[in-house]
Amino acid sequence: DTGVSQNPRHKITKRGQNVTFRCDPISEHNRLYWYRQTLGQGPEFLTYFQNEAQLEKSRLLSDRFSAERPKGSFSTLEIQRTEQGDSAMYLCASSPVGGKDTQYFGPGTRLTVL
Amino acid sequence: QKEVEQNSGPLSVPEGAIASLNCTYSDRGSQSFFWYRQYSGKSPELIMFIYSNGDKEDGRFTAQLNKASQYVSLLIRDSQPSDSATYLCAVYDMRFGAGTRLTVKP
Repeated sequence: DTGVSQNPRHKITKRGQNVTFRCDPISEHNRLYWYRQTLGQGPEFLTYFQNEAQLEKSRLLSDRFSAERPKGSFSTLEIQRTEQGDSAMYLCASSPVGGKDTQYFGPGTRLTVL
Repeated sequence: QKEVEQNSGPLSVPEGAIASLNCTYSDRGSQSFFWYRQYSGKSPELIMFIYSNGDKEDGRFTAQLNKASQYVSLLIRDSQPSDSATYLCAVYDMRFGAGTRLTVKP
């Protein structure tokens, strides 16, 4: 059990560019969650997957945000046409079968949009 | 709009004291509640979850739930400087409060 990993850990981009983040959950965890966290706020839920199925995406912040988990293992979060307001920490978490309430968070990807 | 509210603090307590952290929520349909701890620059980690009215104890931590008042709290007994962190309350649909920053002074 190596924990949830996220790559890259930091991303600096220019406004208008597309960015993609990757999350590798704990092995055999079937649920995977994406959050955004800004300074002084709690995590803001974006979307989650159970295996490869995206079960909740209504809380993605805009249609510029999309996520995939094609084989039910790692997931990617893409932000198209980035804006300065997208600057934040993007957190991924996973939870095991039968333990959906126990979410383990990764270290996050810090995005800075210039 | 479903809300989870926490006093942002900071809350400061002396070492050895009881720290009391509070959270209110607006969605009466909430069935499960979570407390996370987040050290500065780190990710949240789950401390406790609670489903039923009343108290749930785990070591120095006690979660208290009152569904009628839509109120959940976390008590930390014998507070230690290592407990200094931001404590986040969350409900079943992954809504988090903004967190309460706790400082335990030696």
